[in-house]
Amino acid sequence: EDKVVQSPLSLVVHEGDTVTLNCSYEVTNFRSLLWYKQEKKAPTFLFMLTSSGIEKKSGRLSSILDKKELFSILNITATQTGDSAVYLCAIPRKYIFGTGTRLKVLA
Amino acid sequence: EAGVAQSPRYKIIEKRQSVAFWCNPISGHATLYWYQQILGQGPKLLIQFQNNGVVDDSQLPKDRFSAERLKGVDSTLKIQPAKLEDSAVYLCASSLRDAFLRAPSPNTGELFFGEGSRLTVL
Repeated sequence: EDKVVQSPLSLVVHEGDTVTLNCSYEVTNFRSLLWYKQEKKAPTFLFMLTSSGIEKKSGRLSSILDKKELFSILNITATQTGDSAVYLCAIPRKYIFGTGTRLKVLA
Repeated sequence: EAGVAQSPRYKIIEKRQSVAFWCNPISGHATLYWYQQILGQGPKLLIQFQNNGVVDDSQLPKDRFSAERLKGVDSTLKIQPAKLEDSAVYLCASSLRDAFLRAPSPNTGELFFGEGSRLTVL
């Protein structure tokens, strides 16, 4: 059965800290992995990863995929209070989502 | 570009009553998804449509849930009768194509979500 596991489940940091969120997966016919940010409303798209070892970057956020070890990480540097959200990873095959990591950034 | 529209935004019903949610995807998006997100959990796929056909409804509790997308555009999700454990946010999402059926490209994988419909069953 396909599954996606995220860790940690929740994280509290102070502004300026760097965080690393993890997503591991077991999926047949893997093609890509997506990261989403969910604040109070619907998830918004961050990254799509298809190739191992190639870092995707957007501002202070970056993500990389390891297809051999079956995981992805999402890094956020110099965190801000606006980064507080639930971060979800998903596999497009059946669009399975992980349970998410709830990040809270304190001022 | 208009986003995914959902209604109602909020609904409170008593158990054993029925409820219906409506979704209008982004124009031109062939694939439409309904997700159930219980508080503290990730979204769980209920049903996926490709145009007006069902691609996957394996996790839809068919004894009480039903969904349709008759003309391949907007969709409705119905719950009848509702149970307490159905309290959740029901998210509708659409994408340009089904990323599983096509090789990934910058635009195929992304899901665009509506604001969600929050259901409370008392």
